[in-house]
Amino acid sequence: KAGVTQTPRYLIKTRGQQVTLSCSPISGHRSVSWYQQTPGQGLQFLFEYFSETQRNKGNFPGRFSGRQFSNSRSEMNVSTLELGDSALYLCASSFHRGQYEQYFGPGTRLTVT
Amino acid sequence: SQQGEEDPQALSIQEGENATMNCSYKTSINNLQWYRQNSGRGLVHLILIRSNEREKHSGRLRVTLDTSKKSSSLLITASRAADTASYFCATDNYGGSQGNLIFGKGTKLSVKP
Repeated sequence: KAGVTQTPRYLIKTRGQQVTLSCSPISGHRSVSWYQQTPGQGLQFLFEYFSETQRNKGNFPGRFSGRQFSNSRSEMNVSTLELGDSALYLCASSFHRGQYEQYFGPGTRLTVT
Repeated sequence: SQQGEEDPQALSIQEGENATMNCSYKTSINNLQWYRQNSGRGLVHLILIRSNEREKHSGRLRVTLDTSKKSSSLLITASRAADTASYFCATDNYGGSQGNLIFGKGTKLSVKP
């Protein structure tokens, strides 16, 4: 099976812009979670989607949002970008909620200038 | 917020030596996982140990869990240069919503040939 894919792999944006990142889970996986990784804060949970519904959300401002489509693919959006949003954004999928092993994609490296 | 804290933050060893990393966490868990991350890439799942297990093996990996001390250790035996990576422990959100992992800040392992 193909692994989790994320596009784009690298992105450079300027402050105030918005960005959309995409994640395609492993075929058959229905749960998708997003994480932000920075040198200072480490890996932090953003949100989780299952059956096109957000099931869980981390402690991030409303500028961070996401959605999941009927084919389980997911997108996350960050509006009004700030310098502090520069990070590696990781998507992870699992077959079902409660299956705790997650399979991660390679990430999208976002740089905000 | 961080749940797990790895120790040491960085570890440098020679090929063939064993590497031991420790993780402490704060709240009750259903299970604890270890992941590996090569520089700036996605995370790879290594091993999952459930709260009712005390030790688990997978190839050159040995994980122990002490729920009374809220700690776990990861032992990599006969290390290789290819083991150079960051290692993270992750716990589930016990009693809370499913679908997200809480990561520690990681141990950066360097294996010198």
